[in-house]
Amino acid sequence: DAGITQSPRHKVTETGTPVTLRCHQTENHRYMYWYRQDPGHGLRLIHYSYGVKDTDKGEVSDGYSVSRSKTEDFLLTLESATSSQTSVYFCAISESPGVVGYTFGSGTRLTVV
Amino acid sequence: GQQLNQSPQSMFIQEGEDVSMNCTSSSIFNTWLWYKQDPGEGPVLLIALYKAGELTSNGRLTAQFGITRKDSFLNISASIPSDVGIYFCAGRPTSGTYKYIFGTGTRLKVLA
Repeated sequence: DAGITQSPRHKVTETGTPVTLRCHQTENHRYMYWYRQDPGHGLRLIHYSYGVKDTDKGEVSDGYSVSRSKTEDFLLTLESATSSQTSVYFCAISESPGVVGYTFGSGTRLTVV
Repeated sequence: GQQLNQSPQSMFIQEGEDVSMNCTSSSIFNTWLWYKQDPGEGPVLLIALYKAGELTSNGRLTAQFGITRKDSFLNISASIPSDVGIYFCAGRPTSGTYKYIFGTGTRLKVLA
């Protein structure tokens, strides 16, 4: 398969609780991304990583943090979940973004109640 | 943040018809990608375009990188029921080596 796994696939959490989503890859790709998908907005970049411990913010990073301590894992943390963070979250990986684009995971559907 | 204008937002077509959709931006892009997303899954890359004017096909799908570098087009010929899904364009700006900006998507529904 594509070698990218997101966990969990579905999660329901309460407002104010911390939540961590995991993206795991077996492709040894350098670049990893977190996007959220909402109706009418398409896919919006939250954070991305261009190497171990090298991360940067995307266009909708407020309320989110990330960590990448090893090549294969990229974690997205919602420090204190809010209802506006109810969304479908996609992880993507790339060996060379300008050449081959991204490969996406299957997504995590997060509901904050 | 910067966003691509993708149109139409949704469309119903009859099986066998051809489909056209496009993506426009106020900025120049170096690379254009077209993705398809099936329900409950992540987007899958269909076609990648790397230079202005380029025309690339993948089966019944044909995409073009606009001459102005500010737009791209996707055509699907002789649509079939499995073409149903959401189609996204994505562009890589000149000033952002690692990141793509995505369009809002075109939802395609095919009537058998």
